Order: sequence, then structure tokens, then C-alpha cells
Amino acid sequence: EPEVTQTPSHQVTQMGQEVILRCVPISNHLYFYWYRQILGQKVEFLVSFYNNEISEKSEIFDDQFSVERPDGSNFTLKIRSTKLEDSAMYFCASALAENTGELFFGEGSRLTVL
Amino acid sequence: DQQVKQNSPSLSVQEGRISILNCDYTNSMFDYFLWYKKYPAEGPTFLISISSIKDKNEDGRFTVFLNKSAKHLSLHIVPSQPGDSAVYFCAATSGTYKYIFGTGTRLKVLA
Repeated sequence: EPEVTQTPSHQVTQMGQEVILRCVPISNHLYFYWYRQILGQKVEFLVSFYNNEISEKSEIFDDQFSVERPDGSNFTLKIRSTKLEDSAMYFCASALAENTGELFFGEGSRLTVL
Repeated sequence: DQQVKQNSPSLSVQEGRISILNCDYTNSMFDYFLWYKKYPAEGPTFLISISSIKDKNEDGRFTVFLNKSAKHLSLHIVPSQPGDSAVYFCAATSGTYKYIFGTGTRLKVLA
């Protein structure tokens, strides 16, 4: 069964460092997303990406965040200068088409900022 | 601004009995609702969804009920099985994949 894969599974970084989280969405999917979940809190939308551009972003997704689809398979989330409050589980998700109901999530990348 | 609320952080149910998980929302623009299940160290997994034009959707042991006038939906699992033990998230959207998730309900099914 096709799945969304994410690397690394866990990353520990120092405050102020740059972090890149990587995702390989399901191969024929066209819509890509990042969500995050701070420990004990709800899953929050960060950004959606379609046709090589951001289609929607939340207020969390400030100038420190960026997304990129550098090739035909990877979808990355970059945090330019990490803060303590960026510590969370980051989930990548993909969908075949919009409004068809189901997002497929990866297993998540846990980011710990010290 | 909690547009989607799951007021019960946890629920324990005996195996074989019915589990009822509840979710309330405030945004009347939401027109599609979903339930996701999440095990520790895994991403959310889609369980069942319902469009606002329906009031019930059933898939095997899982049924979702939507009461639009009360802005309330519920997930019924019957019969509950130990493997159903997980955190269940309700999510809502107004037509995109910008899902608004609730805070989750941890279901424990006791053998």
C-alpha cells in the first residue's frame, strides 16, 4: 500500500539552527501539506502546496518557515532559525485531488529544539 | 479560537460495548467532517468522513452522525475492540484540506 514517508523520524537541534524535514508523498498525489502537533495539543495546519506554490498557510507559518518541492518526489519543510516553541511532531500529508475527503499522513518527524 | 472541540480527553469502554466519541464545532461554514485515528509514534490515519448534506455515514463497525443544527458530530464504534485503543481526532473543513482538528479523545478499550 502506498504511503507517505518522512525523514528524519527524530531530530534534535540547537535553538537558532536551520532544520530541513523531508517528505516523500504518495507518487501520484498532487496536493501536499504540513501539519504539526505540539506535545499534548491538537494537530495544526501549517501549509498547503499545489502546482509548485503555496496555496494556503496558517498564521504559524511565518517567515522562518518555507516549503519546497525540489524534484518530482520530495517535499521539504525548512525552519530557518529554530525556536524552542518549534519543538513538535511535524506531519507531512498528501492527497490525490482536493475535496475528495482523505489526506494521507506520514508517520511524522519529531523535532526537539534545545 | 477552538473551532473544533472534543470535550472528553479520554474514554474507557469494555470490549464488545459501544464507544461514543463526541465533537462540537462552531464554524457554520464547515461542510465536511472527518475522524482520524492516531496510534503513538504514527501519523493520523483516516477513519471515516461525512459531508454536511448527510446526517449519517456508516462503514463497518464505525458510524458517524452529524447534527448540523447542534453543530455536533459523534463517532460510534460497535462493538469496540482492544485494537481500537488510540487517540481519535475529529476534523472539519470548509472545502479544502486545511483541516481544523480537535484536541483528540484517547479511547481505551478494556479486554
